[in-house]
Amino acid sequence: GAVVSQHPSRVICKSGTSVKIECRSLDFQATTMFWYRQFPKQSLMLMATSNEGSKATYEQGVEKDKFLINHASLTLSTLTVTSAHPEDSSFYICSASRRGHKNIQYFGAGTRLSVL
Amino acid sequence: RKEVEQDPGPFNVPEGATVAFNCTYSNSASQSFFWYRQDCRKEPKLLMSVYSSGNEDGRFTAQLNRASQYISLLIRDSKLSDSATYLCVVTDTGNTGKLIFGQGTTLQVKP
Repeated sequence: GAVVSQHPSRVICKSGTSVKIECRSLDFQATTMFWYRQFPKQSLMLMATSNEGSKATYEQGVEKDKFLINHASLTLSTLTVTSAHPEDSSFYICSASRRGHKNIQYFGAGTRLSVL
Repeated sequence: RKEVEQDPGPFNVPEGATVAFNCTYSNSASQSFFWYRQDCRKEPKLLMSVYSSGNEDGRFTAQLNRASQYISLLIRDSKLSDSATYLCVVTDTGNTGKLIFGQGTTLQVKP
């Protein structure tokens, strides 16, 4: 199978702190990783797409300086929420796909971020 | 207009019922279509791909109508374990891999 591990599953932090979320593909090489955000009772919204070794491509309205994405290896991508504020509280989910199969995405279990 | 529109429900049905969900999408150039299932506070999981010829997997049948830009999911003989939110998903044009999710339709199957 294709397993994606996301860590941590839950974060509670104070306003102004930075939070790093890791997304790892455990048994395949993930040439592309995606980061989504889901607010309560809303759909998943793509934040950014990252290809291994390249800068991430951010969706319109997503601040690249606030949501730092690193995809330095074929098995690991990280999302850092810098200077988090209560409005950043959300469910963050990563997904990963193999080379040539971008439409087939394997999802991590998600990270629930609560900023106090 | 949303890119992918679904009736959020909830749909409350008894066990054994047949239930159908619909979805419309706005971009006629979209190439791939899926239904995902999302349980409360969990990640979405792929239920099935959707094709114009129709696609059946056990109690689940999905259908795509490109002319109407309409996607459907039929669940027969509903089980309690089918209770979840069903997400209609469409790929963006080009080779970006971007998935566009609908808001989801919530199904609650009751004994």
